Amino acid sequence: QKEVEQNSGPLSVPEGAIASLNCTYSDRGSQSFFWYRQYSGKSPELIMFIYSNGDKEDGRFTAQLNKASQYVSLLIRDSQPSDSATYLCAAGPNTGGFKTIFGAGTRLFVKA
Amino acid sequence: EAGVVQSPRYKIIEKKQPVAFWCNPISGHNTLYWYLQNLGQGPELLIRYENEEAVDDSQLPKDRFSAERLKGVDSTLKIQPAELGDSAVYLCASSLGQGVSADTQYFGPGTRLTVL
Repeated sequence: QKEVEQNSGPLSVPEGAIASLNCTYSDRGSQSFFWYRQYSGKSPELIMFIYSNGDKEDGRFTAQLNKASQYVSLLIRDSQPSDSATYLCAAGPNTGGFKTIFGAGTRLFVKA
Repeated sequence: EAGVVQSPRYKIIEKKQPVAFWCNPISGHNTLYWYLQNLGQGPELLIRYENEEAVDDSQLPKDRFSAERLKGVDSTLKIQPAELGDSAVYLCASSLGQGVSADTQYFGPGTRLTVL
């Protein structure tokens, strides 16, 4: 069973702090990894994807990938109350075409 | 550019009744997905289409669920008959379907189904 594991939270951080969200995956064949943000009652929206080991930065967001440890993380700098949402990690298909697996998500609360 | 369109947004039916959901993907996206999402869980794949071909329907309960994607564009997901446990949000997503980065999926607003 291919799995993506996330701490369900809630993770609570003060406004302006760095929020760190973590994710592990079980299938070493996974090649691409995605972070989605989902507000309550809304559909997931893509924040960023990563498929190379190391860091990838996009504005206040940094994704980190370590394939040897099968670990993906998302850092949110200068957290804002508007960042309060559930963050879904997903492990995407390799060229073999297996399906994208989503984690259950981590709930983040940013306190003003 | 228009995003993924789904209808209806909400549906309330009694158990044993049929229900259908419609999805129009982003223009040019060859791959279309139907997901089910329960409260507090991540999306779970029901079926994936590459153009008009269903390439992964292993999680689709075929005794009551069916799907089609005519002409490789719009898609319809049907449940007949609906059961109480089918109450969930049904999400449609699409992607270009070519290469690693192009497998980025974009989600529609979802249909919230309540079965009474």
